[in-house]
Amino acid sequence: AILMTQSPSSLSASVGDRVTITCRASQGIRNDLGWYQQKPGKAPKLLIYGASSLQSGVPSRFSGSGSGTDFTLTISSLQPEDFATYYCLQDYNLWTFGQGTTVEIK
Amino acid sequence: EVQLVQSGAEVKKPGESLRISCKGSGYTFASYWIAWVRQVPGKGLEWMGVIYPGDSATTYSPSFQGQVTISADKSISTAFLQWSSLKASDTAMYYCVRRDVVRGIIEYFDYWGPGTLVTVSS
Repeated sequence: AILMTQSPSSLSASVGDRVTITCRASQGIRNDLGWYQQKPGKAPKLLIYGASSLQSGVPSRFSGSGSGTDFTLTISSLQPEDFATYYCLQDYNLWTFGQGTTVEIK
Repeated sequence: EVQLVQSGAEVKKPGESLRISCKGSGYTFASYWIAWVRQVPGKGLEWMGVIYPGDSATTYSPSFQGQVTISADKSISTAFLQWSSLKASDTAMYYCVRRDVVRGIIEYFDYWGPGTLVTVSS
């Protein structure tokens, strides 16, 4: 099974900050990775697919990069509505979520 | 508009059986895989399994194989997740989600249901 390790598990940031979340796969997964945002009490929402493609309707301040084993989700300028938990998901071999990164208000 | 509507919250006792549902609309239900995802309260997301309603082909996560059964009835555009004997550790929110594939190789989970909360307690 492919393991996905996200870091950090949580972070505190201010509005306007640049935020970076990383995800590392236990083996190479090409670019078969997506990023999802989940707010409390809500279903997850797709942000990025194919490691770097922005889902329709998602603000351009979100971006994804990486290939192989190391991936990054970047929020260029954190907005109040971005405080949430973020998950990576590999779909190279079945599916595995990372453990999540909670972005909190500083 | 694509929608996945899930059945309502359930409260069950250990040992009881349960089937929850996920009804798709706004697209050709039979042509897209549906996945089930578990979220234990306060914890992360876990992929449980997927089904292709067109032919009911199913793949389970090793962690959930033998613990649950995933099925679908394309005539009513509905997927199901069922347990034959619930445990307290099955207490969680369960989401269904549609899997889409673009250009034949890039896939993602795009439309999510709102979730069904299952509580198992004596």
